[in-house]
Amino acid sequence: DAGVTQSPTHLIKTRGQQVTLRCSPKSGHDTVSWYQQALGQGPQFIFQYYEEEERQRGNFPDRFSGHQFPNYSSELNVNALLLGDSALYLCASSLEQPYGYTFGSGTRLTVV
Amino acid sequence: DAKTTQPTSMDCAEGRAANLPCNHSTISGNEYVYWYRQIHSQGPQYIIHGLKNNETNEMASLIITEDRKSSTLILPHATLRDTAVYYCIVRVSQAGTALIFGKGTTLSVSS
Repeated sequence: DAGVTQSPTHLIKTRGQQVTLRCSPKSGHDTVSWYQQALGQGPQFIFQYYEEEERQRGNFPDRFSGHQFPNYSSELNVNALLLGDSALYLCASSLEQPYGYTFGSGTRLTVV
Repeated sequence: DAKTTQPTSMDCAEGRAANLPCNHSTISGNEYVYWYRQIHSQGPQYIIHGLKNNETNEMASLIITEDRKSSTLILPHATLRDTAVYYCIVRVSQAGTALIFGKGTTLSVSS
């Protein structure tokens, strides 16, 4: 049974560009959350999607947006990239009544 | 913001029990204690969670004090593969409630 799949695994972008990261949740999971993890820090919550709607959002600017598709997969979009957006981006999936989140291995984004 | 306090780092000898403490003095009655760990370059992994009773699974044991203001995660026989950052998180177990991570405890297991 596949867990959470994220793509791509690594990405290099130039400041000012836009990026889209993708996540396929664990089979049977309907809720997707996104996290940003800077080097040496704990994961920071960006937002959570359920039934194709953003249900909860952390303290991130509007440059960060997302989408959830009918098959529960999700995308994270970041516009006008800044050097400070360089981080590991993690996707986590869960059931609507979560007792445990399953995380993917992340996408390493480097902004130059 | 994270509602928990954990030591920054701990060391443990291989084969010995690793006891990781967590303070959560402002925990509410409907909040659970969750433990996750993150091995280098991987996503966090769920370990265990509990409300007020002690819990045990194949990975670890969770001991929660009677006043629920602190807890301890116990890895009974630590191995080198248990070297990771361990996060203690408190949250209500209901739909839409995100996991909020703090800085965690870096556990180093050595032979």
